[in-house]
Amino acid sequence: SQQGEEDPQALSIQEGENATMNCSYKTSINNLQWYRQNSGRGLVHLILIRSNEREKHSGRLRVTLDTSKKSSSLLITASRAADTASYFCATDASNQGGKLIFGQGTELSVKP
Amino acid sequence: KAGVTQTPRYLIKTRGQQVTLSCSPISGHRSVSWYQQTPGQGLQFLFEYFSETQRNKGNFPGRFSGRQFSNSRSEMNVSTLELGDSALYLCASSLGSSSSAYFGPGTRLTVT
Repeated sequence: SQQGEEDPQALSIQEGENATMNCSYKTSINNLQWYRQNSGRGLVHLILIRSNEREKHSGRLRVTLDTSKKSSSLLITASRAADTASYFCATDASNQGGKLIFGQGTELSVKP
Repeated sequence: KAGVTQTPRYLIKTRGQQVTLSCSPISGHRSVSWYQQTPGQGLQFLFEYFSETQRNKGNFPGRFSGRQFSNSRSEMNVSTLELGDSALYLCASSLGSSSSAYFGPGTRLTVT
């Protein structure tokens, strides 16, 4: 079963705009990780945020985590056509020994 | 550092056969996890190994098995293949619990 849900399922924007994706989960977590996947290829690790952190930045990416609401968001600023991909959140739940539980993903399309 | 490698990249098998997939983790990583990705079920956790010990197992039938060697390389085996086993199989490695997990390119298995 999926731990989380991602919202929206699909997002279409123009180059230069910002893209925001949300992820909700159900249980206590050690950390939450965001990944990108292009056309059924492997997952590219974007960022990890720990349960005691509220916000992290990496280049054009900004991730927030609200453990009281069991939710996270990924913001991509100044989107590029190359950002077109599926984005997944994955939770590393407490006492689950290395198991990641993935959401269903958000399909982002950035039009040039 | 070299990334996670998976072999083979593509595989076509017939129902009833068995298959073995291989994963070489990032140097120094002792945890290896396996995931199955299908359009209908998304990304689902199969199992996780750390220092040759299986620490966690997902809800898959006993036809799915795995092992990890002393050099941290891992293999997964699927016996008596079914059409529904057609999927992208992804391997991830990490330093251990609560660490970032890095994925390989995946093995695309097609069962006919």
